[in-house]
Amino acid sequence: KAGVTQTPRYLIKTRGQQVTLSCSPISGHRSVSWYQQTPGQGLQFLFEYFSETQRNKGNFPGRFSGRQFSNSRSEMNVSTLELGDSALYLCASSLELTGTQYFGPGTRLLVL
Amino acid sequence: SQKIEQNSEALNIQEGKTATLTCNYTNYSPAYLQWYRQDPGRGPVFLLLIRENEKEKRKERLKVTFDTTLKQSLFHITASQPADSATYLCAPPPNQGGKLIFGQGTELSVKP
Repeated sequence: KAGVTQTPRYLIKTRGQQVTLSCSPISGHRSVSWYQQTPGQGLQFLFEYFSETQRNKGNFPGRFSGRQFSNSRSEMNVSTLELGDSALYLCASSLELTGTQYFGPGTRLLVL
Repeated sequence: SQKIEQNSEALNIQEGKTATLTCNYTNYSPAYLQWYRQDPGRGPVFLLLIRENEKEKRKERLKVTFDTTLKQSLFHITASQPADSATYLCAPPPNQGGKLIFGQGTELSVKP
């Protein structure tokens, strides 16, 4: 089975812009979770989607949003980028949220 | 509130020795704990899951223990190799709010 894929792998944006990241889960996985990872904060849970519905959300501002399509592919959007949004954004898929998480390679976002 | 803590200090050991990493949890009783390995700039990779009724689990050179009295899980790598150098994360099941919380991770460095 193909693993979790994320695009793009690297992105450079300036403050105030918005960005959309994409994640394709493992075939058959309906749960997709997104995480932000920074050196200081570690891996922080953003939100989880299951069957096109956001089921769970972490403690992030409304600038962070996402969606899931009928084929389970998911996108994450960050609007009005701030310098502090520079991070590695990871998505993970699983059969269920309580199951083992299979992570993608991540998208490295740099906000200048 | 529920907390999961790992030793944030890097662990440096000599090749061939046993590495032992600690994961402590407070204010709840997780039904299981998962351990992941993460290499720099890449997504975490699942290694092992141990349930609360399992005292010990092994996979090749890896061993995980779960002590519900001490509220602690230990992750051991025997006969460590430089290729084992990475950050190791522990993760309990999602909390009551449905959030997936990962420990901060412990960076392991195995010197030849």
